[in-house]
Amino acid sequence: GEEVAQTPKHLVRGEGQKAKLYCAPIKGHSYVFWYQQVLKNEFKFLISFQNENVFDETGMPKERFSAKCLPNSPCSLEIQATKLEDSAVYFCASSLVGEQYFGPGTRLTVT
Amino acid sequence: QKEVEQNSGPLSVPEGAIASLNCTYSDRGSQSFFWYRQYSGKSPELIMFIYSNGDKEDGRFTAQLNKASQYVSLLIRDSQPSDSATYLCAVDGGSNYKLTFGKGTLLTVNP
Repeated sequence: GEEVAQTPKHLVRGEGQKAKLYCAPIKGHSYVFWYQQVLKNEFKFLISFQNENVFDETGMPKERFSAKCLPNSPCSLEIQATKLEDSAVYFCASSLVGEQYFGPGTRLTVT
Repeated sequence: QKEVEQNSGPLSVPEGAIASLNCTYSDRGSQSFFWYRQYSGKSPELIMFIYSNGDKEDGRFTAQLNKASQYVSLLIRDSQPSDSATYLCAVDGGSNYKLTFGKGTLLTVNP
């Protein structure tokens, strides 16, 4: 598609539950990025993919977070055993080269 | 730790005036520089990118880059109330393409 799509728009999980977020990049874009936005404006890079391969995972808290981009499927970000501090908006972005275009985000609320 | 600094604002300008937004970055190896606009509750929207020293103009927007001073700015001419938003400066560190964001400047354009 012409825009990055993210589902769901909102997700509410009790502490300790699993959360799974999805992202469909712009058609033809080979890079996918996940960012976490907390406290309104603070963005944190989590992980990036080049096609289905992990490109950079230096931002991922690996003990609870995992992500995949499989051929012909939306990319996914999964949080096992969510914590209150995981409450944030999770943005996916895609790019061909250089400029990154953001999806609408998934707001995760952990209660 | 790579850092991107912006004045948090709020920056308030009258309609029709020039709004000037500034950003400094710490990593001298940074290659690419982006300005995103984010309305409250929405995702970042790419409005300008600049890769070379100097000025780049697109409509009412001008991005300016000075790599020697590690400084990038955004000028918005003939500011409109619809320009009221948070403006995020983002810097790409190089080969890994991940963006480091500033905390954003809140711009208010008063009719």
